[in-house]
Amino acid sequence: KQEVTQIPAALSVPEGENLVLNCSFTDSAIYNLQWFRQDPGKGLTSLLLIQSSQREQTSGRLNASLDKSSGRSTLYIAASQPGDSATYLCAGYSGGSNYKLTFGKGTLLTVNP
Amino acid sequence: DVKVTQSSRYLVKRTGEKVFLECVQDMDHENMFWYRQDPGLGLRLIYFSYDVKMKEKGDIPEGYSVSREKKERFSLILESASTNQTSMYLCALGRRATGELFFGEGSRLTVL
Repeated sequence: KQEVTQIPAALSVPEGENLVLNCSFTDSAIYNLQWFRQDPGKGLTSLLLIQSSQREQTSGRLNASLDKSSGRSTLYIAASQPGDSATYLCAGYSGGSNYKLTFGKGTLLTVNP
Repeated sequence: DVKVTQSSRYLVKRTGEKVFLECVQDMDHENMFWYRQDPGLGLRLIYFSYDVKMKEKGDIPEGYSVSREKKERFSLILESASTNQTSMYLCALGRRATGELFFGEGSRLTVL
């Protein structure tokens, strides 16, 4: 059974800093890994999807990588801004007919002005 | 852009009431999911559907049922609401080809 862990649970950084959020998973037979952002009281917004055949994906200041052999994914945020403050969740999809993703519990990021 | 719309952002219901949460998406032939999200417990899958009239139990189906009569609409039903069902409910659309999920804005349900 796939398990997804995100450490740390919370992170506070000053504005302008580059930072890395971590996501680890137990089953290396992962089909894809998706990163989400969640603002308080809102739904999840998809940020990046990395397929198993890919090593990384980029969108603006965000870069996500996937290393199946080590069971790790990272989300890199460059030049952080206060507007980046949110909870970031990762989720792994192991394929198959169940169509289910396994979610981590998220990292609460605070970027201080 | 994929659009997933949840009909109610905030609901307050009384114990024992029947509650309907509606979710509509604008993509055809895709999977739909209902999750609940609680502090410290993360997202937990209640039910999902991969086609009209098809449904599969998730991890916590007890106390819930679902309906998918049309491809674009997936409803979550609380037959008799209880206080422990107070939660944020999230509907999601899943692309079959990639497994990618797209979420609605969420429905915050309070059961008194």
